[in-house]
Amino acid sequence: ETGVTQTPRHLVMGMTNKKSLKCEQHLGHNAMYWYKQSAKKPLELMFVYSLEERVENNSVPSRFSPECPNSSHLFLHLHTLQPEDSALYLCASSHGTSGTMASYNEQFFGPGTRLTVL
Amino acid sequence: ELKVEQNPLFLSMQEGKNYTIYCNYSTTSDRLYWYRQDPGKSLESLFVLLSNGAVKQEGRLMASLDTKARLSTLHITAAVHDLSATYFCAVEGGSQGNLIFGKGTKLSVKP
Repeated sequence: ETGVTQTPRHLVMGMTNKKSLKCEQHLGHNAMYWYKQSAKKPLELMFVYSLEERVENNSVPSRFSPECPNSSHLFLHLHTLQPEDSALYLCASSHGTSGTMASYNEQFFGPGTRLTVL
Repeated sequence: ELKVEQNPLFLSMQEGKNYTIYCNYSTTSDRLYWYRQDPGKSLESLFVLLSNGAVKQEGRLMASLDTKARLSTLHITAAVHDLSATYFCAVEGGSQGNLIFGKGTKLSVKP
């Protein structure tokens, strides 16, 4: 595997279900990100992890719970979602957030998980 | 708060024509990125612009950065259908140097 991978690619879940999205990066990066992309708001940053520590949480509802066990893996745990949470969830990675490991913050994106909440 | 505005948001053009997409941003930054997204696909990095006056070209696309004007342009030369996609600009800013994305420009190139 190369680059950034995400599983599953498609997910349909009911509002009472619990599921998890997985992201893995094979680029040796130290920062990982979750974004939500929907028709209403093209790219919303949800969470940022740098060296496995959460450094930013953009007022995301608690029904989304991230986990970063190591610098290569990132999870997004989902529970009691709402239909408006249906979107494309994108994971990205970079060498580091600004001022840390790299001089700039080019992010590399995974293919995304298309989530539908019924 | 850093804001990034792209225009136009929708662009329909004929093959062979030239056009420019604009990306304006609200605060000082000298790092700007352009991405391409095909329908149902992820974002692909196109250009990284790291200084005032930076210009990069790849095929029919050329990107430039004017940090004093807080403006980047993505110029399309002699468009072809394969360029149909949504193009995003992103500016490095925020509390951790995160990328702030514009809303994207949906480009449709027609024969």
